[in-house]
Amino acid sequence: EVQLVESGGGLVQPGGSLRLSCAASGFTFSSYEMNWVRQAPGKGLEWVSYISSSGSTIYYADSVKGRFTISRDNAKNSLYLQMNSLRAEDTAVYYCARERTGDPFDYWGQGTLVTVSS
Amino acid sequence: NFMLTQPHSVSESPGKTVTISCTRSSGSIASNYVQWYQQRPGSAPTTVIYEDNQRPSGVPDRFSGSIDSSSNSASLTISGLKTEDEADYYCQSYDSSHRRVFGGGTKLTVL
Repeated sequence: EVQLVESGGGLVQPGGSLRLSCAASGFTFSSYEMNWVRQAPGKGLEWVSYISSSGSTIYYADSVKGRFTISRDNAKNSLYLQMNSLRAEDTAVYYCARERTGDPFDYWGQGTLVTVSS
Repeated sequence: NFMLTQPHSVSESPGKTVTISCTRSSGSIASNYVQWYQQRPGSAPTTVIYEDNQRPSGVPDRFSGSIDSSSNSASLTISGLKTEDEADYYCQSYDSSHRRVFGGGTKLTVL
C-alpha cells in the first residue's frame, strides 16, 4: 500500500525557517517524481514544487521561488521541503504527492500544518 | 502564465447530472492535459479524472471529463449524483514551464 507521511510542520515566526519531510513507503520511491502542494485554511490548492525521480529537475511556483528548496534522498525514501524567509501567507497545510505518468498527484499524504505567526 | 477559472459553487439534487467547468484564461486548453481532483472535508484530494477524460481504477463511470476548444474549457460531469459526491473539485493543468496550475475549486452541494 502506498503511504506518504508528512512531518515537520508547526508554528514559526515570520522570517523563520522550517524543514518538512515526507516519508514514502509501499512503492519504489526512486522511480517516481514528487510534488509539494499546499492549502491555506479555507482556501484552494496551490502547487508549490516538483522534483524529478533523480532530483536533477526541479520546478517552483513563483510564490516560493528563492525561499523554498525541494530535495529528496532516495536511499531514505524521503522527500523534503526547506522553507526559509517564511511569511504569514505561507500558512497552510502542506501535502506531498506522488506523480506518475499522466497524473501529477496520484497519491497524497495527509498533510502537515505550517503556521507562520508572531 | 494562465489561470484556470471554476465556478465557486454548484448544487444539484441526488440522481441528477451536474457539470463543473474549468476555463483557461490564455493558451489552448488542448495544449496540456487536464486533471480533476475531489477533496472531501478533512481529507486529502484524490484523482477522479486524468489526461482530460481518463478515470483511475475505482472511480465510478458516473464521473467523466471532456475538453471544449471552442470555449477553451474543460468540464467534469457527474451523473446519477449521490450524497457522497458532495465535495470540493479542482481542475489542474500545466503551464509552458512545466509548472502545475490549479483552478480555484468548486464546492459541489448535493441536496
